[in-house]
This record gives sequence, structure tokens and C-alpha cells, in this order.
Amino acid sequence: AVVTQEPSLTVSPGGTVTLTCGSSTGAVTSGHYPYWFQQKPGQAPRTLIYDTTNKQSWTPARFSGSLLGGKAALTLSGAQPEDEGEYFCLLSYDGGDPPRVFGGGTKLTVL
Amino acid sequence: EVQVVESGGGLVQPGGSLRLSCVASGFTVSSNHMNWVRQAPGKGLEWVSLIYTDGRTYYADSVKGRFTISRDNSKNTLNLQMNGLRLDDTALYYCASQGLQGGYWGQGTLVTVSS
Repeated sequence: AVVTQEPSLTVSPGGTVTLTCGSSTGAVTSGHYPYWFQQKPGQAPRTLIYDTTNKQSWTPARFSGSLLGGKAALTLSGAQPEDEGEYFCLLSYDGGDPPRVFGGGTKLTVL
Repeated sequence: EVQVVESGGGLVQPGGSLRLSCVASGFTVSSNHMNWVRQAPGKGLEWVSLIYTDGRTYYADSVKGRFTISRDNSKNTLNLQMNGLRLDDTALYYCASQGLQGGYWGQGTLVTVSS
């Protein structure tokens, strides 16, 4: 499977943007247990969303996860300058090999 | 408080071996699906290996037959034995959990394969 993300997106401060995560095998469902990770330069990734919609305790309320048009989606509402960075999604293909596939990442610019 | 700490990286010649470890605190390794993920300089995240809670193991094609994932439940530790290292194995290696509490990552350990 190949997992696809937008290579780059730009959002204005205070604006809303949606990042998507698609699968070459077909529609992304909750059974792919989508994860979303944020990575800033020089830092390790951190989990923002797991199992499609669940937030970690440290995830700002302005981030939300969903399924949208056959893809997993990460929506940022009210973008802040500190949200600039790279966002990766991970899909699970349990029963398949490989069972985990990362998307190529979306570089998000807040400008 | 949850902590994940990787260790064992270093500089190794092509064909050499390294053993990475990931010590977790604040959650139980055996109760989570545990992954090794790597990131080459300037590149994206690449899934390397997974051990499910039931013990099944999987590997990326690029490391199959060379890497072995395991866990030590008594030490709450995840390991990755890497043999036959190649230049393109050079990367920052992360340990990443997946479970009911979501996902925890360590800070990574750097593996450099160079002659």
C-alpha cells in the first residue's frame, strides 16, 4: 500500500486547514486506525491523533481528526505560528504485510 | 509520567551489527503494539518493524532477514538487533508505541553506517 499526503500546505494565522491521508488500496476507514503525528525541526515526532479521532492529553483543542471523502483527515482550526511543521499520518493494515505504512508527510506553513 | 528512551546507536562499518534498546516507563510495552521507525537525514518517517501484543513480528522489506525485533517484558524494554548493516540504514531510529492510550515516542538514537 502507498499512503498519500499533500506535500505542502499554507494556512493563515487564525485560519483553518485540512490535511488528508489516502490509501492506494481504497477508502480509509476506522479499521486503518489512523494516527497523526506532528514533527518540528530537530524534534522527535509526537502523536496528535490516534484511532481516527482520539486526542492525546497534550493535543491542542484546535486539532481534530476525522474521515473525510474516503481519507483520514486532520483539521486545524485557528492556526497558530507554533503549528508550523511537518505532519505525518500512519495507517494500519492489520493482516497485511507491511502492517504499517507512513504517509510522505505534509509540510505546513503558517503565513 | 510516560517516558521512552532509546539507546544503542552509534557509528558502525557496513556489514556490522548494532542492538538498539527502548526502555519505557509509565506504560507496559507488552500491552502495546510496539514499532521501530527510522528517519534518514532530511527524509520522512519510515516504518521498520512491529511487534504486536500477541508477539507476532513484522518487518519492512528493506530490513527483512537482517533485523530482529524483540521485547523483554521483565525490563519493559523493546529491542532491535540489526545485522548486516548497510549505508542506507543510516538514520535516527525511534521507538513508537500504539495502544489504548495512543502513541508515545522516544527522542531516537542515531545509527550511522559508514566506512
